[in-house]
Amino acid sequence: EVLLLESGGGLVQPGGSLRLSCAASGFTFNRYGMNWVRQAPGKGLEWLSYISGSGTTIYYANSVKGRFTISRDNAENSLYLQMNGLRDEDSALYYCTSMDVWGRGTTVTVSS
Amino acid sequence: DIVMTQTPLSLSVTPGQPASISCKSSQSLLHSDGKTYLYWFLHKSGQPPQLLISEVSSRFSGVPDRFSGSGSGTDFTLKISRVEAEDVGVYYCMQSLQLLTFGGGTKVDIK
Repeated sequence: EVLLLESGGGLVQPGGSLRLSCAASGFTFNRYGMNWVRQAPGKGLEWLSYISGSGTTIYYANSVKGRFTISRDNAENSLYLQMNGLRDEDSALYYCTSMDVWGRGTTVTVSS
Repeated sequence: DIVMTQTPLSLSVTPGQPASISCKSSQSLLHSDGKTYLYWFLHKSGQPPQLLISEVSSRFSGVPDRFSGSGSGTDFTLKISRVEAEDVGVYYCMQSLQLLTFGGGTKVDIK
């Protein structure tokens, strides 16, 4: 079964950091570009970042560029999102996705 | 940045009746490779989004044939030939020609 499982969400103060992880299984992970997408409460889907299968090509949305860093470990079939300088508006459900497969998400709450 | 605009914002449909959602991009989504990078997703409450249509009109594996996508350039449409109760949710178009951008979403419910 193809599966993506996010973890690492939680409550963090403004200005703080979190590292999200996504464990992949059931497919050849290193063949697929991966993304992080989020949905803030009451809002639509927002794409955040993409990393190619090899990890050599990376893109970010302007809203997170310079604060978030995407990475992957193909030996561990894992995707990561390091989030620094978190703001209230970063509170959201964060999904790991290849676009045809989605995890169930992990919730990040930024609040003092 | 490419802006994706969906209409309508919401749609209430009688079961068995058709539904149509429009998506317009701020610039053509046709790549030099001949492909058009426009996708449709359905996001049901409490579930992760699911891919319905890729590259304008290709239904993803397992997607019922009552869903169809069409369009070119900057104007695209998702059609549901006969809406069923399980089709309720928010539909999003998305472009991947330049980075990725989602439309604002269209909420579909049943009358």
